[in-house]
Amino acid sequence: EVQLVESGGGLVQPGESLRLSCAVSGFTFSSYGMNWVRQAPGKGLQWISFIGPGNSRIDYADSVKGRFTISRDDAKNSLYLQMNSLRVEDTAIYYCARDQFWASDIWGQGALVTVSS
Amino acid sequence: QSALTQPPSASGSPGQSVTISCTGTSSDVGGYDYVSWYQQHPGKAPKLMIYEVTQRPSGVPDRFSGSKSGNAASLTVSGLRAGDEAEYYCSSYAGGRKWVFGGGTKLTVL
Repeated sequence: EVQLVESGGGLVQPGESLRLSCAVSGFTFSSYGMNWVRQAPGKGLQWISFIGPGNSRIDYADSVKGRFTISRDDAKNSLYLQMNSLRVEDTAIYYCARDQFWASDIWGQGALVTVSS
Repeated sequence: QSALTQPPSASGSPGQSVTISCTGTSSDVGGYDYVSWYQQHPGKAPKLMIYEVTQRPSGVPDRFSGSKSGNAASLTVSGLRAGDEAEYYCSSYAGGRKWVFGGGTKLTVL
């Protein structure tokens, strides 16, 4: 069964850091690009980062560029998102998703990140 | 990266058809045939319903169809069922391995 499971969410204060993980199973992780997409409470979806297979390409939305870092460990079938200098507006559910068909075809259940003082 | 424009709501009775629009620009929807649509039920993760404008992933009923003309794309749901009631998001490739989403449309089955 194809499965993506996010972890690492929680409550942090503005300016602090947090690292999200996404554990992948059921497919050859190293062959796929991966996305991080977030959803603020009661709001729509926002794409925030992409990493290609073999780190062939990495991209970020302007809103997180310079603060967030996407990475992957193919040996551990894991995707990561290092989030630094967190802001209140970064509060959201963060989803990892497999990139296929020029879309995100498989999604995790999401990890809630709350940034509040 | 500006969001794509979707109507906030749409509705239809069981058995009817409803179409949800998604308007972008020549830099996203109009520039690439990489429009996708996602269904999201409350408290759940999004589910891919349409990719590459018109293609359905395995397991998605053919009641769901997509199209595109110029800078606008559409999702049509035919033979509406109660389970189709959800939030629907369009998304488009915007170049440079970046994606942009629409604001979402809440579909209500009357």
